Amino acid sequence: EVQLVESGGGLVQPGGSLRLSCAASGFTFSTYAMTWVRQASGKGLEWVSGISVTVGSTSYAESVKGRFTISRDNSKDTVYLQMNSLRVEDTAVYYCAKVTRWNGRDYMDVWGTGTTVTVSS
Amino acid sequence: DVQVTQSPSSLSASVGDRVTITCRASKKIANYLNWYQQRPGKAPDLLIYVASTLQSGVPSRFSGSGSGTNFSLTISNLQPEDSATYYCQQSYSDLRTFGQGTRVEI
Repeated sequence: EVQLVESGGGLVQPGGSLRLSCAASGFTFSTYAMTWVRQASGKGLEWVSGISVTVGSTSYAESVKGRFTISRDNSKDTVYLQMNSLRVEDTAVYYCAKVTRWNGRDYMDVWGTGTTVTVSS
Repeated sequence: DVQVTQSPSSLSASVGDRVTITCRASKKIANYLNWYQQRPGKAPDLLIYVASTLQSGVPSRFSGSGSGTNFSLTISNLQPEDSATYYCQQSYSDLRTFGQGTRVEI
């Protein structure tokens, strides 16, 4: 069964740091791009960051650029999101998703259940 | 960046109805457009990719169309389990974006 399990969420003060992890199973992790998407309570989905199969290629939403870093460890089938300088507005459920490419296009076809990050003093 | 705008933001319909949700991109994105369904308290699920291809396991009453800047998701013969929020998402630009969502109430 293809599965993604996020962990690492919690309560942190403004300005603090957290590292989220997403453990993958049931597919050849090293051959898929991965992405993080977040959702504040009662709000819509916001794409946060993505990482290609080639570790050197990453992208970030403007709202997190310079503060968040995405990385992956193909030996552990895990993708990470290092979040620094956290702000109250970063409070959300964070989902990781597997990205499948097809005919040059891509889509998020498997999602984890999410981990909750709360930034508050 | 490419922005995608959905309409309506919410709708109410009855079992058996046909409903259509539209998504407009801020520039031409060919068919780099996906649709997701999110039920309350759950993670999103992929419904349609590349504008019109139905994801495996998704009922055939869901369909997608469009290209360029205008796209639509249609649900025919609406069922109670279709009560959810639907999002479009563009994969044309490196900075992916989602529409603001359309809440469908049955």
